[in-house]
Amino acid sequence: NAGVTQTPKFQVLKTGQSMTLQCAQDMNHEYMSWYRQDPGMGLRLIHYSVGAGITDQGEVPNGYNVSRSTTEDFPLRLLSAAPSQTSVYFCASSPYSQGRESNEQYFGPGTRLTVT
Amino acid sequence: DQQVKQNSPSLSVQEGRISILNCDYTNSMFDYFLWYKKYPAEGPTFLISISSIKDKNEDGRFTVFLNKSAKHLSLHIVPSQPGDSAVYFCAATSINTNAGKSTFGDGTTLTVKP
Repeated sequence: NAGVTQTPKFQVLKTGQSMTLQCAQDMNHEYMSWYRQDPGMGLRLIHYSVGAGITDQGEVPNGYNVSRSTTEDFPLRLLSAAPSQTSVYFCASSPYSQGRESNEQYFGPGTRLTVT
Repeated sequence: DQQVKQNSPSLSVQEGRISILNCDYTNSMFDYFLWYKKYPAEGPTFLISISSIKDKNEDGRFTVFLNKSAKHLSLHIVPSQPGDSAVYFCAATSINTNAGKSTFGDGTTLTVKP
């Protein structure tokens, strides 16, 4: 299993450009999430999905869109890049929780985005 | 208002000694807690977890303690090894949701000196 893969690893955008960060997992996990990590800070949830066709907003959703057409893929779209979106972006997946205990997340290696 | 706080940005310990990393939370709805470890240029990896029905969970050199009344948890690493040098994140969630909605602290950078 490749686990969670993210492309690209690095990206530089100019203000106003749009782009899509790709995320894929081959573990058949129902849950997928996007986080951003700014220097010296923890991971903040952008958007998440509990299954194909179902997405919801996290803590910092503004400026980002997501869709989940398949179980495997969960792309993150930046609509009009701003310098404030310079960050490291992590995609994560986790299996369905049975309710008695939650499950840990499996993270991708991250995409380092710089917006100039 | 930060719901999960790791008040020590960094911690340095000698190899073989105990490392204690602390985490505080404010949201009473949190009932499941996880620790992740992160090396530079990699994604976080899961280390250990604990649910609110327990006050201790152990996995090899790693033990997590939960004090619900104080809304405090700690991760103990004994003995510490140089390979444990990394950033450690505390995360909290609710059993009624899922780990995909975890709230993370800002992390503690652990340095284990040989």
